[in-house]
Amino acid sequence: EDQVTQSPEALRLQEGESSSLNCSYTVSGLRGLFWYRQDPGKGPEFLFTLYSAGEEKEKERLKATLTKKESFLHITAPKPEDSATYLCAVRPHGGAQKLVFGQGTRLTINP
Amino acid sequence: DSGVTQTPKHLITATGQRVTLRCSPRSGDLSVYWYQQSLDQGLQFLIQYYNGEERAKGNILERFSAQQFPDLHSELNLSSLELGDSALYFCASSRDLGGPGDTQYFGPGTRLTVL
Repeated sequence: EDQVTQSPEALRLQEGESSSLNCSYTVSGLRGLFWYRQDPGKGPEFLFTLYSAGEEKEKERLKATLTKKESFLHITAPKPEDSATYLCAVRPHGGAQKLVFGQGTRLTINP
Repeated sequence: DSGVTQTPKHLITATGQRVTLRCSPRSGDLSVYWYQQSLDQGLQFLIQYYNGEERAKGNILERFSAQQFPDLHSELNLSSLELGDSALYFCASSRDLGGPGDTQYFGPGTRLTVL
């Protein structure tokens, strides 16, 4: 069964304190790993797609990397506005185009 | 703003009732997906439509049904509602069927409360 596990569940950092979020996956063939950001009561906002091991994508203070078993979302010198829940999802091989989501990491950046 | 719209934003109803949630995809997108987000289950895929045709089903209850209309908007119908159906319901859309580069963009969601 396709599965996504994110860790930690919650992370509290000081402004400027860099860290990484982890996404481990078990999937029957990977056709994309996705990172989304979700603010409370809002819809997930697309950040990155990664397709193959070794691939990296960057956007402002965020950098996503992918290996054959996991992905990391690195946050460099975060600001309070980076506080949100970060969701990882995979799209497995097969006919269904669904995304399988992890439970998310709730990130809080204190000023 | 993703370009995906959902109405209503909030819905409060009683057990046993039926409701309809509406979604308009981004301009040019042919696929619409429905997801349910509850505190204990996270985001769960319900169903996908592509250009009016059902393409994939997740763990969607038999009490739930959906359709996509010729103008590509979609509706999710929930009937015989139970307390456990209270959740956030999200619609997402993508350009195509899910090939490389086909990204799902999410709407703002409908919060359903069943009393």
